[in-house]
Amino acid sequence: DAGITQSPRHKVTETGTPVTLRCHQTENHRYMYWYRQDPGHGLRLIHYSYGVKDTDKGEVSDGYSVSRSKTEDFLLTLESATSSQTSVYFCAISERGGPSYNEQFFGPGTRLTVL
Amino acid sequence: KNQVEQSPQSLIILEGKNCTLQCNYTVSPFSNLRWYKQDTGRGPVSLTIMTFSENTKSNGRYTATLDADTKQSSLHITASQLSDSASYICVWRGGGSQGNLIFGKGTKLSVKP
Repeated sequence: DAGITQSPRHKVTETGTPVTLRCHQTENHRYMYWYRQDPGHGLRLIHYSYGVKDTDKGEVSDGYSVSRSKTEDFLLTLESATSSQTSVYFCAISERGGPSYNEQFFGPGTRLTVL
Repeated sequence: KNQVEQSPQSLIILEGKNCTLQCNYTVSPFSNLRWYKQDTGRGPVSLTIMTFSENTKSNGRYTATLDADTKQSSLHITASQLSDSASYICVWRGGGSQGNLIFGKGTKLSVKP
């Protein structure tokens, strides 16, 4: 998984509780992404980062926030988890982010269940 | 309306047989089109990336084709193996800001002995 780890790998939580997912990379890639994957949908972008402290919203950012204080770590926070946020969350990294021939490498995923 | 449509949704084939997965996209202009393989419980892994000027690209037993005029791509798997059982995802990448990827829902392939 291209030097990308996600933690935790599985989590069950209750509605209304805060949850933080961590993505850690050892590739020193500039760009990092958080996606969610749900049945009946393709992967959808939540937030992405183009550098330390530089982040932007994706397609489905409501209810999520992110932070990146170091190149290697990208955190995804659900301030108050809801059942609609039950999903599998994937972190991805890329060396460059422009519309060029660059590739995104994905982590192993975190399965989150909100009861 | 889905901008990247994949067919079939699922497919079962016997080991050793060939198969072809389809991807149609409606968005344009685009920068490149990608195919990923996703094993159950794991993240997607890139198989091929093609720009609009490329018609075909191979990666071992996987061959992707692209027709930018008809906005269609296909992934052909030759001499299938049990390890090919996975979901195959077509991904369109547009020109413009980074992060502009549109993922298809995938085709779930099962290879049976």
